[in-house]
Amino acid sequence: QLQLQESGPGLVKPSETLSLTCTVSGGSISSSSYYWGWIRQPPGKGLEWIGSIYYSGSTYYNPSLKSRVTISVDTSKNQFSVKLSSVTAADTAVYYCARETWNYVSGNWFDPWGQGTLVTVSS
Amino acid sequence: QSALTQPASVSGSPGQSITISCTGTSSDVGGYNYVSWYQQHPGKAPKLMIYEVSSRPSGVSNRFSGSKSGNTASLTISGLQADDEADYYCSSYTSSSTRVFGTGTTVTVL
Repeated sequence: QLQLQESGPGLVKPSETLSLTCTVSGGSISSSSYYWGWIRQPPGKGLEWIGSIYYSGSTYYNPSLKSRVTISVDTSKNQFSVKLSSVTAADTAVYYCARETWNYVSGNWFDPWGQGTLVTVSS
Repeated sequence: QSALTQPASVSGSPGQSITISCTGTSSDVGGYNYVSWYQQHPGKAPKLMIYEVSSRPSGVSNRFSGSKSGNTASLTISGLQADDEADYYCSSYTSSSTRVFGTGTTVTVL
């Protein structure tokens, strides 16, 4: 059974860079037909897609975050990561990682998801 | 990109059916049969309920069904149960190869 687990600092100072890693277990991150995504949810608000990466390194980003976001993959460790620069209080959220199934016939969907990790931006 | 539009809340009595709408544009919902739906209970991670507009993953009750007409997708929950009380989000692929979520709908079982 595939499982994903987010890890990283729970507190980041304003203007600094938020860095999180998602460790995949029970399956290979190098599997074809899958992207690996980051999604966030500010407290009491809705879901926001941050971006997705293929094991080859191909990425897609939310246009509203593109200038500040970098998603990378480490196939040797079965992990993928997100970095968000110049953070402000508005970046305070629960950050989720998820496997994204994608093909031109059926489209895309996120399943399973990690449990999520709360990152607070505060001095 | 703009979030897909969902009603803030929908309610129904046990046993009834409810429908949640998800309105986008011809560049996302209307352009592809790539709509998925997620259920989120408080403090929990979202759970996939529907993919490819109307397909159900293994283990999801057949009380959940999806459809689409034009730029609007819909999730119907029939035989409403107490455990269906949760937040629901739609999601779509877009013509820019990005992904977008809906604004979210809180379902209340009266």
